Amino acid sequence: NAGVIQTPRHKVTGKGQEATLWCEPISGHSAVFWYRQTIVQGLEFLTYFRNQAPIDDSGMPKERFSAQMPNQSHSTLKIQSTQPQDSAVYLCASSLAGLGPYEQYFGPGTRLTVL
Amino acid sequence: GDSVTQTEGLVTLTEGLPVMLNCTYQTIYSNPFLFWYVQHLNESPRLLLKSFTDNKRTEHQGFHATLHKSSSSFHLQKSSAQLSDSALYYCALSETGSNYQLIWGSGTKLIIKP
Repeated sequence: NAGVIQTPRHKVTGKGQEATLWCEPISGHSAVFWYRQTIVQGLEFLTYFRNQAPIDDSGMPKERFSAQMPNQSHSTLKIQSTQPQDSAVYLCASSLAGLGPYEQYFGPGTRLTVL
Repeated sequence: GDSVTQTEGLVTLTEGLPVMLNCTYQTIYSNPFLFWYVQHLNESPRLLLKSFTDNKRTEHQGFHATLHKSSSSFHLQKSSAQLSDSALYYCALSETGSNYQLIWGSGTKLIIKP
């Protein structure tokens, strides 16, 4: 079991550029969560998929952020026109989905730095 | 809506002293699941312990917590702090049959000094 895989581990973009972050959940896990973590704001929920369907994106900034889960083995978080305030560690987590709730397993995160 | 409150943002203790990190919650549901996650420096959060049984002590890796529905609390305790316990601790809430999301507290940074 390789755990949740996130790529890249580090990404540096210039202001206004696009950033795409990838997440591969643990095999068999049908719930995928995206979080953003900063020292100031702590852990912030962004969005959540279950069986590839978007369930809740209430934490996503309405502009510039989007997430997809085209198949059960990966999810992407895309940030268009990145801004310095988008600099953060973006964490992906997966869990089983059933009668739960179940433990969320976190990936190592992608550290995004916007210059 | 549901919420989790961790009143201490930072707790600094001397090695060997007992640890208690506070967690209280609000939910409209009668069967909450409570979790403690720990995040060491440059690592991701990982589950430390969890509970859904009222008034039953749950233990793991020297830490323990008891869910008290009467007071909506799930405080994390350890009898003797170790240097390696220095980390960020998150309390989180979920509900059976919910959409599997966790409601997270703001986190408590625990620093253990020699």
